[in-house]
Amino acid sequence: QVQLQESGPGLVKPSETLTLTCSVSGDSISRNYWSWIRQPPGAGLEWIGFMYDGGTTTYNVALNSRVTISVDTSRNQFSLNLRSVTAADTAVYYCARYLSGGLAYWGQGTLVTVSS
Amino acid sequence: QSALTQPASVSGSPGQSVTISCTGTSSDVGGYNSVSWYQQHPGKAPKLIIGDVGNRPSGVSNRFSGSKSGNTASLTISGLQAEDEAEYYCWSSTSSHTYVFGTGTKVTVL
Repeated sequence: QVQLQESGPGLVKPSETLTLTCSVSGDSISRNYWSWIRQPPGAGLEWIGFMYDGGTTTYNVALNSRVTISVDTSRNQFSLNLRSVTAADTAVYYCARYLSGGLAYWGQGTLVTVSS
Repeated sequence: QSALTQPASVSGSPGQSVTISCTGTSSDVGGYNSVSWYQQHPGKAPKLIIGDVGNRPSGVSNRFSGSKSGNTASLTISGLQAEDEAEYYCWSSTSSHTYVFGTGTKVTVL
């Protein structure tokens, strides 16, 4: 059974870098497509980006200049770095795995608040 | 990339059917069979209910079905039940090798 778990600070200061990690069990991070998604409070879902083939990435064009998704195969984890954050980046952040034509496995999500 | 357009809300009585539309362009919904649908209950992570336009993952009720015509994908919930009350989102690949979610639809069971 594939399981994903997000971790990272719940509070980030404006202009700093948000860093989250997704720990994966039951599957290899070196294969398949892995994604980050976020959801601001009371709002809809926003796709952030994909990592696949162990390191190739594609990002939401609206975030492209600020986001990096990277992989740590030794720990079976992948990470999200979002630079120069503002209050608009406050959201629940989810990691997920693509399978069966969609995002079939999701983490429980972690709330990140951007505030001084 | 703009969000795909969904109705803000739909409602129906128990046992009825409701259909949610997801409208994009030929550069996303209309150009690919990579449209999926998600159900999200309050405070929970989204759940995949339809993949690749019309494929239902194992364990998902056959009351959920998906289709596509032109630039619009649709999710139909038949035999509406109280547990179906949730937010629903579509998600599509795009010509830019990126993905985009729909605006979301609140389903209310009357």
